[in-house]
Amino acid sequence: GPKVLQIPSHQIIDMGQMVTLNCDPVSNHLYFYWYKQILGQQMEFLVNFYNGKVMEKSKLFKDQFSVERPDGSYFTLKIQPTALEDSAVYFCASSLGEDTQYFGPGTRLLVL
Amino acid sequence: QQKVQQSPESLIVPEGAMTSLNCTFSDSASQYFAWYRQHSGKAPKALMSIFSNGEKEEGRFTIHLNKASLHFSLHIRDSQPSDSALYLCAVRRGSALGRLHFGAGTQLIVIP
Repeated sequence: GPKVLQIPSHQIIDMGQMVTLNCDPVSNHLYFYWYKQILGQQMEFLVNFYNGKVMEKSKLFKDQFSVERPDGSYFTLKIQPTALEDSAVYFCASSLGEDTQYFGPGTRLLVL
Repeated sequence: QQKVQQSPESLIVPEGAMTSLNCTFSDSASQYFAWYRQHSGKAPKALMSIFSNGEKEEGRFTIHLNKASLHFSLHIRDSQPSDSALYLCAVRRGSALGRLHFGAGTQLIVIP
């Protein structure tokens, strides 16, 4: 089936540093999403993105977060500066505009 | 705020058994209901989805939705050891851009 790739699979950084999480969505998909899962908790929606714009974001999507997909390359989630509570697994997803969102395997972020 | 709850938290069944997983949701305006399967460290993979009340069968898997009861379920016929995974239910309110609300998951183990 369609595959979404995420790079890196793991990232460890010091609090206050900037981090960029990369997502390579399914090639013809138009809608892109980030979800966050803190250890032991449910996966929660962060943001969705279409036609170069953020369409909807949750209260978890803090001012320190930003997303972009320049020129059809990676769909990225940038956190600047990072905080301890940003430690989580971040899942990227994409969809064609139909109903199924296809997920990547996640990036495990640890902020020290 | 949509609340999605899954039961049971974990389940052990013998190979060949019927497995039933449950999901309840709180937002009666929900329109899209899906099940994902996730093996450890891998991407959540979409299994089945349904929009309207009733049942939908695909192979050994059947999804059943009762909107009035705010409940849907996944039934796995002739469970196999390869079905062992974390099963996530997801609910969405409206359009293809809408956020998915996930349950915490049911960990299924199928014993040969």
